[in-house]
Amino acid sequence: AQKVTQAQTEISVVEKEDVTLDCVYETRDTTYYLFWYKQPPSGELVFLIRRNSFDEQNEISGRYSWNFQKSTSSFNFTITASQVVDSAVYFCALSEGGSEKLVFGKGTKLTVNP
Amino acid sequence: KAGVTQTPRYLIKTRGQQVTLSCSPISGHRSVSWYQQTPGQGLQFLFEYFSETQRNKGNFPGRFSGRQFSNSRSEMNVSTLELGDSALYLCASSLAGYSYEQYFGPGTRLTVT
Repeated sequence: AQKVTQAQTEISVVEKEDVTLDCVYETRDTTYYLFWYKQPPSGELVFLIRRNSFDEQNEISGRYSWNFQKSTSSFNFTITASQVVDSAVYFCALSEGGSEKLVFGKGTKLTVNP
Repeated sequence: KAGVTQTPRYLIKTRGQQVTLSCSPISGHRSVSWYQQTPGQGLQFLFEYFSETQRNKGNFPGRFSGRQFSNSRSEMNVSTLELGDSALYLCASSLAGYSYEQYFGPGTRLTVT
């Protein structure tokens, strides 16, 4: 069965600090996809990244970076030099190959204080 | 390109009533999925439609149903509303329906009293 665990319920940092959000997943499929979404207070889920199970290369996009490690079933997300606008709930999600069904973690609420 | 739109944005209904929510996907997207978000259960998958066919269904009672039209627009219906159905209902669309990235709408906030 699919499962996504985000152990950190809430994180609070001061602006310009780096912060890492953890995500651990479980799946029996060899083909699967991992996602990160951001949900600001407005409520709309914003797509951040999609990664397939065959691509373990880390990715960097501006201040955002993702570390995918199949050996530990983890897909962690780091924000460098955090800003107040990064305050949101961040969700990690998993879909098994061929399915649009996303299984979400419970989310991590990030608060960046000025 | 316009994003995913959902109507209405807010609804208040009474127990026992039924409700229909609407979702218009991004132009060109053929897959539409629905999710329920509550503080207790988090984000849960309801169902997914692709080319007017339901391809996948989550673990929800039969009171929850949906459909997709030929223009890819989708509706979901909840009959015999219960207090526990109060939630944010999110619709997402994707290009072709194979674990592609899904883009979400702003959601419909349903309150059942």
